[in-house]
Amino acid sequence: KAGVTQTPRYLIKTRGQQVTLSCSPISGHRSVSWYQQTPGQGLQFLFEYFSETQRNKGNFPGRFSGRQFSNSRSEMNVSTLELGDSALYLCASSYDSTGELFFGEGSRLTVL
Amino acid sequence: ELKVEQNPLFLSMQEGKNYTIYCNYSTTSDRLYWYRQDPGKSLESLFVLLSNGAVKQEGRLMASLDTKARLSTLHITAAVHDLSATYFCAVATYTGANSKLTFGKGITLSVRP
Repeated sequence: KAGVTQTPRYLIKTRGQQVTLSCSPISGHRSVSWYQQTPGQGLQFLFEYFSETQRNKGNFPGRFSGRQFSNSRSEMNVSTLELGDSALYLCASSYDSTGELFFGEGSRLTVL
Repeated sequence: ELKVEQNPLFLSMQEGKNYTIYCNYSTTSDRLYWYRQDPGKSLESLFVLLSNGAVKQEGRLMASLDTKARLSTLHITAAVHDLSATYFCAVATYTGANSKLTFGKGITLSVRP
């Protein structure tokens, strides 16, 4: 059974640019969550999508957005990148909102 | 706001000895997760603890949950080098049907010969 797939795995951007990250959940999983991991702040919840609807959102500015498609694949977008956005962005999927989360390998974003 | 505290943040362990690490949280929840993360890697699910008194064991690791004390423990039996990693606990909270995980800062374990 394939796990959670995130692309790209690594990327480098400059301040002011925008970035889109993609996540394909485990087949049959309908809930996709996104987390940001940094050395200083640790793992922080960004948002959760279920059946194409954002059901929960963390305390991040509006520059961070996401969406989920009918096949449960999800994307997150960060606009007007700042140096502090450099982080590992982790996507996790679960069958439903209360199920066990399975994490992808992450997308490591570096903002220069 | 839910706070999840793990201590200690770093633990140097001697091979063959037993250790316990702790996860405290500040609000009611009956669902707690333990994850392992190796450097540069993603999070690997270790345990899902779903109720008060839950105890789960896998190899040299045993996790338990006391929801009344808002405390989970991860006990390591006869530490081996392969257990060197960072261990996170995460507490689930719910708003209606929505849930999110709040993670602790993680405990980095290093097993020395």
